[in-house]
Amino acid sequence: DIQMTQSPSSLSASVGDRVTITCQASQDIRKYLSWYQQKPGKAPELLIYDASNLETGVPSRFSGSGSGTDFTLTISSLQPEDIATYYCQQYDNIPYSFGQGTKLEIK
Amino acid sequence: QVQLQESGPGLVKPSQTLSLTCSVSGASISSGDYYWTWIRQPAGKGLEWIGRIYTTGSADYNPSLESRLTMSLDSSNNQFSLRLNSVTAADTAVYFCARFRWNPPGFDPWGQGALVIVSS
Repeated sequence: DIQMTQSPSSLSASVGDRVTITCQASQDIRKYLSWYQQKPGKAPELLIYDASNLETGVPSRFSGSGSGTDFTLTISSLQPEDIATYYCQQYDNIPYSFGQGTKLEIK
Repeated sequence: QVQLQESGPGLVKPSQTLSLTCSVSGASISSGDYYWTWIRQPAGKGLEWIGRIYTTGSADYNPSLESRLTMSLDSSNNQFSLRLNSVTAADTAVYFCARFRWNPPGFDPWGQGALVIVSS
C-alpha cells in the first residue's frame, strides 16, 4: 500500500498569508494526486486533480505542484473561508489512500 | 446535478453486520466511466478508502477490510450498498459514499456522510 505523509499536521496563519502544505508518497505515483478541502461536519471537496489542475469553480488562489513522490498545495493569499482541513490523496494504485490531513487555522 | 445520499442504521452491535446504502440521483449508476466508492472517517481522524464498485459490478476493496466487506449495485433502484461484517468499535465512523470520475479524475460528488456507531 502507498503511504501518504502530509506536513505540517496543523498550521496557523494570518489572512493574506501565503500557505504551503506538502505531501509525500511512499512510492512514485506519477501525477495521480488530488487535494481535498474538508470543513467541519461536511464532506470533503475536490480542489486539485492530477497534482496541478484546478477543479472548476475553485478559487485561483489555490494551486498544486509536484510529481513522483513530492507534492505541494499552495494558497497564495489566505482567506477566512479557507479555514478547513486539507487532505492529499493518491489514485495511482489500489487501495487509494489519503494523507493524515493538515488543519489550517487563522492566527 | 448528481447527488448522493447515504442511509442505514446509525447503531450496530459488535460482531454484527454494518449495512449502508447510497442512493444516487441525477445519474445512472450502471452507465458512464465511474467508480462508486465508500470512504470512512473516524471522529477527529483522517479519511480511509474502503472500496469501489464499477458500473459493471466489478469491485475492488481495501485489503485491510476485504475479508469482511461486500459491495453491490442495485441498478433498478439506482443505488449501491456496503456490507461490513463482524464489526468492532474500530469500525465506528462517518461513512461517505462518493463517485470517482476519470475525466477529470477525482471524488465528486460526495454524500453528506452517515455516522455509524458500533456499540452494545
